[in-house]
Amino acid sequence: QKEVEQNSGPLSVPEGAIASLNCTYSDRGSQSFFWYRQYSGKSPELIMFIYSNGDKEDGRFTAQLNKASQYVSLLIRDSQPSDSATYLCAVGASSNYKLTFGKGTLLTVNP
Amino acid sequence: SAVISQKPSRDICQRGTSLTIQCQVDSQVTMMFWYRQQPGQSLTLIATANQGSEATYESGFVIDKFPISRPNLTFSTLTVSNMSPEDSSIYLCSVELDGASETQYFGPGTRLLVL
Repeated sequence: QKEVEQNSGPLSVPEGAIASLNCTYSDRGSQSFFWYRQYSGKSPELIMFIYSNGDKEDGRFTAQLNKASQYVSLLIRDSQPSDSATYLCAVGASSNYKLTFGKGTLLTVNP
Repeated sequence: SAVISQKPSRDICQRGTSLTIQCQVDSQVTMMFWYRQQPGQSLTLIATANQGSEATYESGFVIDKFPISRPNLTFSTLTVSNMSPEDSSIYLCSVELDGASETQYFGPGTRLLVL
């Protein structure tokens, strides 16, 4: 059974700091990796996706992928209180378009 | 991305009744999915809604309980049948837009409370 593991948190960081969110996955055949942000009472919102080993940057967000270690992370630079949310890691296998989601990490950015 | 709407946004229902949730997309999409998110939990895939054929259900979900329709490439419905309090959850539809990237975008969700 495919599994995606995240530290449930809460992860608390001060405003302006770097928040680091981590995710591991069990299926070595996984090809695509996604980070979603979910505010309380709202639906998940796609932040980033990454397919290749290494880093991918988009504004204050950087996704990092290491397929050998089956590990994907999300760094949020200059964290803002508006970044306070649950961050969901999702992993896809190329064969069927399905995503497996982790349970999410609750991030709190303190002013 | 796409504009995805769901109806109703929330509902309170009595046990034993059924509720049909609608998902509408503003463009044609190949893949549509239905998820459930129970309180404090992550997303669990219920089924893939296939246009013109029966939905593909995940383990633990059956057609009699969660019948799904997909009459065209922009619309799908999920029915939660013979509801019990354990069905209280958020139900989300998602779409995969380009047929290649597996990137899914979510609708706003339907918050269901069963009494």
